[in-house]
Amino acid sequence: GAGVSQSPSNKVTEKGKDVELRCDPISGHTALYWYRQSLGQGLEFLIYFQGNSAPDKSGLPSDRFSAERTGGSVSTLTIQRTQQEDSAVYLCASSLARWSSYNEQFFGPGTRLTVL
Amino acid sequence: GENVEQHPSTLSVQEGDSAVIKCTYSDSASNYFPWYKQELGKRPQLIIDIRSNVGEKKDQRIAVTLNKTAKHFSLHITETQPEDSAVYFCAPRRGQIKAAGNKLTFGGGTRVLVKP
Repeated sequence: GAGVSQSPSNKVTEKGKDVELRCDPISGHTALYWYRQSLGQGLEFLIYFQGNSAPDKSGLPSDRFSAERTGGSVSTLTIQRTQQEDSAVYLCASSLARWSSYNEQFFGPGTRLTVL
Repeated sequence: GENVEQHPSTLSVQEGDSAVIKCTYSDSASNYFPWYKQELGKRPQLIIDIRSNVGEKKDQRIAVTLNKTAKHFSLHITETQPEDSAVYFCAPRRGQIKAAGNKLTFGGGTRVLVKP
């Protein structure tokens, strides 16, 4: 079946502009995550959605970052007034979220963001 | 939150030799221990995982061993091949979603290079 998809695959923007990154999770996956990966670095957790619960935003680096998840499916990560240090690959992942269960996360291909 | 460290950060091995990567963690309540593989330019993918009630798990040339007392677990790759060249990430956590959410704290990654 279809995996996690993200769009765009690449985004080049100018410093100060706003950008929106989209994630389509695997159908039926109620948990959705956003991560950031800078060049040659590890994965940095940004935000986590689980069903209708309030999202865990503890990883968002500043108030310029926000995310929404509409209808429990598609999610959009918005970065306002982009800075050069925002340049990274933004990865989305989704998983089933059964209670008392260990759920593999499936990653999308990522969006490579370059802020000039 | 979970403090996760991986060692070494880079590992170069000759084809056919073994590779071992160690992951240490701080949260004694962690009970799920996955390893992800990320090939160059691709998304992370789960390659093996282990739960706290098991000390070792093998899948063909890869294995994971767990030492809960010392709070570390290791990835073992035997008979390495060029296609094993990638970055490997550990992500220990509390497995049950009701425990502490389902977000992952990733280790910093280990870049493995298998020389033919």
